[in-house]
Amino acid sequence: DTEVTQTPKHLVMGMTNKKSLKCEQHMGHRAMYWYKQKAKKPPELMFVYSYEKLSINESVPSRFSPECPNSSLLNLHLHALQPEDSALYLCASSLGDSPYNEQFFGPGTRLTVL
Amino acid sequence: AQSVTQLDSQVPVFEEAPVELRCNYSSSVSVYLFWYVQYPNQGLQLLLKYLSGSTLVKGINGFEAEFNKSQTSFHLRKPSVHISDTAEYFCASRGNDYKLSFGAGTTVTVRA
Repeated sequence: DTEVTQTPKHLVMGMTNKKSLKCEQHMGHRAMYWYKQKAKKPPELMFVYSYEKLSINESVPSRFSPECPNSSLLNLHLHALQPEDSALYLCASSLGDSPYNEQFFGPGTRLTVL
Repeated sequence: AQSVTQLDSQVPVFEEAPVELRCNYSSSVSVYLFWYVQYPNQGLQLLLKYLSGSTLVKGINGFEAEFNKSQTSFHLRKPSVHISDTAEYFCASRGNDYKLSFGAGTTVTVRA
């Protein structure tokens, strides 16, 4: 298995809803990442988990809450989002956190906040 | 922190013509360079990477790139494009930290 999967593919939510994005990989990777991508822009790093511990939070608002229950799974919990949070949310993983290690990206979850 | 600059925001090209996408990076002691492609409504796929060694790097789908330290460039080339190469292309760099720094992207549109 050489892919990163993300569910759901699309998500529409209101500003008062609570929802979660899920990311899974079975490549034995120990680093996992969340990125946010707005239309026609490059991905922006949000969070990095290394060996199931949060190692980087790029000053992301607390309405985004990441969780890494085990080495294969990464969640992003969403609460009280704003319309400007609408974007493509990409998950990635790499063997380790070395700069050498290629990041493998999932297909993304397209989020719309009404 | 590392950074990259993609010099072309849009590149229109005819089918079977060559294409070059330009990328310059900020100079650093250690730099690792990548080219990713993003097809419409999809995630990113790695085309190729430069970590060390040979300056000419060959990737998937007929793409190659040349690392030029004196010009701090990492341009991507393909000798003959197909309609299916229509996509967004991102150059990225990484120093000795976690962060993958992306360029602004180049939109390649291949026309018949």
